[in-house]
Amino acid sequence: DTGVSQNPRHKITKRGQNVTFRCDPISEHNRLYWYRQTLGQGPEFLTYFQNEAQLEKSRLLSDRFSAERPKGSFSTLEIQRTEQGDSAMYLCASSLNRQRVFGPGTRLTVL
Amino acid sequence: AQKITQTQPGMFVQEKEAVTLDCTYDTSDQSYGLFWYKQPSSGEMIFLIYQGSYDEQNATEGRYSLNFQKARKSANLVISASQLGDSAMYFCAMRGPPGGGNKLTFGTGTQLKVEL
Repeated sequence: DTGVSQNPRHKITKRGQNVTFRCDPISEHNRLYWYRQTLGQGPEFLTYFQNEAQLEKSRLLSDRFSAERPKGSFSTLEIQRTEQGDSAMYLCASSLNRQRVFGPGTRLTVL
Repeated sequence: AQKITQTQPGMFVQEKEAVTLDCTYDTSDQSYGLFWYKQPSSGEMIFLIYQGSYDEQNATEGRYSLNFQKARKSANLVISASQLGDSAMYFCAMRGPPGGGNKLTFGTGTQLKVEL
């Protein structure tokens, strides 16, 4: 499989619970991005890694959100104490040069 | 700050006809890139076409072409010979200058419906 994969594809959780999403980028891509997309909107940038270094974080990424990319390969996005406003599609993308390849996304529903 | 504006929430086109999806942008950077992505109902973002700010010719990729008018800050997507499978959400996006992390700023999208 040469694409970007994300797991799980769907997650339903209760408010206050913690959730973790995983993204496996294309193996030779050194850059990895997380975006959030709410209904009827375009994706919004959350954070960016170059190899294992987290180089940029959006102000959208509150202290309940944390992302890691150990060893510069896969990445995880954790949301602590989820709120109903966190319900969205979380998209991961990776790139080497210009073209970004997006994964299928993880749809989070917070009840 | 960068901003992308897509003023058409929805568009209809008949099969085999051409359609133009509008995109205007705002940036103070001299070096930037413009992208179009297609998002079917399944949710994945599919890259369609790219235009660099210094590219002198309009980008083309198969049935997709980008009408780049730098002075007007517009980067409209033209889809020729529309097919039923083109029905999807289309997003215009901008990338900042090199060294800025290459994050993309997206517009709100245009929902395209191709009809028989």
